[in-house]
Amino acid sequence: DGGITQSPKYLFRKEGQNVTLSCEQNLNHDAMYWYRQDPGQGLRLIYYSQIVNDFQKGDIAEGYSVSREKKESFPLTVTSAQKNPTAFYLCASMGLPNSPLHFGNGTRLTVT
Amino acid sequence: SQQGEEDPQALSIQEGENATMNCSYKTSINNLQWYRQNSGRGLVHLILIRSNEREKHSGRLRVTLDTSKKSSSLLITASRAADTASYFCATGASGNTGKLIFGQGTTLQVKP
Repeated sequence: DGGITQSPKYLFRKEGQNVTLSCEQNLNHDAMYWYRQDPGQGLRLIYYSQIVNDFQKGDIAEGYSVSREKKESFPLTVTSAQKNPTAFYLCASMGLPNSPLHFGNGTRLTVT
Repeated sequence: SQQGEEDPQALSIQEGENATMNCSYKTSINNLQWYRQNSGRGLVHLILIRSNEREKHSGRLRVTLDTSKKSSSLLITASRAADTASYFCATGASGNTGKLIFGQGTTLQVKP
């Protein structure tokens, strides 16, 4: 089945450690996105990539980094510079421009 | 910055009743999309309406778009307990920016 896989589902880290969240898609989509969701809130855009080897900052990119070396993969690193990293992270992809997003099932990150 | 703002934040109805959710946005858009999210899961696309469309239907869903008022509404008719979820609007900006900005969402509870 085609889709987006985020792993792991739950992730626990100590404060001060960098952590990388995985996102893989087999939909052959060019564009991929990372969103952050806090409890009871909407989604905020962290980074997005419209093509391999290129990405743009979203509204809350500080403390995060991404890479897009392959079309299928768009990993997100939450660095120690992110002041409040505990959140639910959602990865998504888009096929044609201005078409619907396809979402993974998210990674819940807890930093203590 | 959040583009879409939803109203109400929470809605509780009885099974069989209709549910209406509203979304307002600030800038010119190419399209507006509605998504559903079950607790702890990724978002699922429901319906996309383009800026030159005024109304769209999909099963029990009806979406309207008023670009002069920069607002949209989602109507779910004959609601079911399984419709219990959070619903989000998202706007795609004019031009091919690739960005999709989400609102805060409406939490719908349908009581059996």
